[in-house]
Amino acid sequence: DQQVKQNSPSLSVQEGRISILNCDYTNSMFDYFLWYKKYPAEGPTFLISISSIKDKNEDGRFTVFLNKSAKHLSLHIVPSQPGDSAVYFCAALDTGRRALTFGSGTRLQVQP
Amino acid sequence: GAGVSQSPSNKVTEKGKDVELRCDPISGHTALYWYRQSLGQGLEFLIYFQGNSAPDKSGLPSDRFSAERTGGSVSTLTIQRTQQEDSAVYLCASSLSGSGGYGYTFGSGTRLTVV
Repeated sequence: DQQVKQNSPSLSVQEGRISILNCDYTNSMFDYFLWYKKYPAEGPTFLISISSIKDKNEDGRFTVFLNKSAKHLSLHIVPSQPGDSAVYFCAALDTGRRALTFGSGTRLQVQP
Repeated sequence: GAGVSQSPSNKVTEKGKDVELRCDPISGHTALYWYRQSLGQGLEFLIYFQGNSAPDKSGLPSDRFSAERTGGSVSTLTIQRTQQEDSAVYLCASSLSGSGGYGYTFGSGTRLTVV
């Protein structure tokens, strides 16, 4: 049973436009959410996070939105740049088990 | 070290053989995690070490998998009698604490191929 779901395996956007990556979760015990970015042959790197007590967190071009009632979060990248092309993983942490649960990832391609 | 180091970076092994994968976390990081990513799949949690506490082994897929962490630092993931479905990239991560409030630092992974 996938507790963190990224239903779009891939996304393609034009440079300069907004990229929106979505993530849904089922476990109401999750209290912290993170996005990771992964380039080929490298480990994932931390991008941005949000606590369940917030509904938005912004860091430069990256903003994460959390809708707890819908159990949904999204990552907005604006403006998108070719260097943003990577696989993005959504991850969640619950209060009891201190290891992240990851989604299956979304491959973002930003076209120049 | 400056980052999480994993070795080997690539391993090809014959079905039925045992393999050992090594992870050297960032110095001072008390929490260490193993994940694996099979082809086309997300990151699957395997095991978690936090300080001197008993590890959380709830993600290990079978009793052929085991891991240890010696001296609170280096960790070894052992897969006995490897099967083709064990082929994946095995990723290790460490963090300053097990509180989860901070992101993990991942290594580059070990790509295991069982032939």
